[in-house]
Amino acid sequence: ETGVTQSPTHLIKTRGQQVTLRCSSQSGHNTVSWYQQALGQGPQFIFQYYREEENGRGNFPPRFSGLQFPNYSSELNVNALELDDSALYLCASKVGGQETQYFGPGTRLLVL
Amino acid sequence: SQQGEEDPQALSIQEGENATMNCSYKTSINNLQWYRQNSGRGLVHLILIRSNEREKHSGRLRVTLDTSKKSSSLLITASRAADTASYFCATVPRTGANSKLTFGKGITLSVRP
Repeated sequence: ETGVTQSPTHLIKTRGQQVTLRCSSQSGHNTVSWYQQALGQGPQFIFQYYREEENGRGNFPPRFSGLQFPNYSSELNVNALELDDSALYLCASKVGGQETQYFGPGTRLLVL
Repeated sequence: SQQGEEDPQALSIQEGENATMNCSYKTSINNLQWYRQNSGRGLVHLILIRSNEREKHSGRLRVTLDTSKKSSSLLITASRAADTASYFCATVPRTGANSKLTFGKGITLSVRP
């Protein structure tokens, strides 16, 4: 157990819809990152939030957006869902400046 | 894009044997990390090695790093059936977002009882 939780565990949406995924970080962790893992692939970095500000982004379009709240929980929002968005979405948290990140169990999203 | 390339893609060994997994990467790194993932679930951090380190140990794990060859290896000694999982190497760049892990495609390890 890493102390990082994600909800929901599974989700089914249809193409064009919008989705919000949630992550609750370990207490005191002020940095959260989100990753997308397609089937059979390694996770791909979406973006990072530090103290409620986005401060790093991977190669993902603007329809992927996020929020980090004062209690350091966070959301990943994806608009205009596409079939290729079907994946496992992982969040990871850490204390800024430290090297080890702690991953949640992920949310598996299926887009039909 | 994937930075790390793990080798082999799949490995099957008998319980008690050692498992060696290799990883190559492309750019300058701050550190390299190995993770384990069971059945498409969350990632578990195994070990981290910094760019100025050559070898680290943690329990049954030994990781090496050769920055001149841009490669790393993970050795699991005396493997157990519970070690069956996917293993990923991930690099953190020397500059930029310090949480940005760039993962390879992973190695599927099967340990037969």
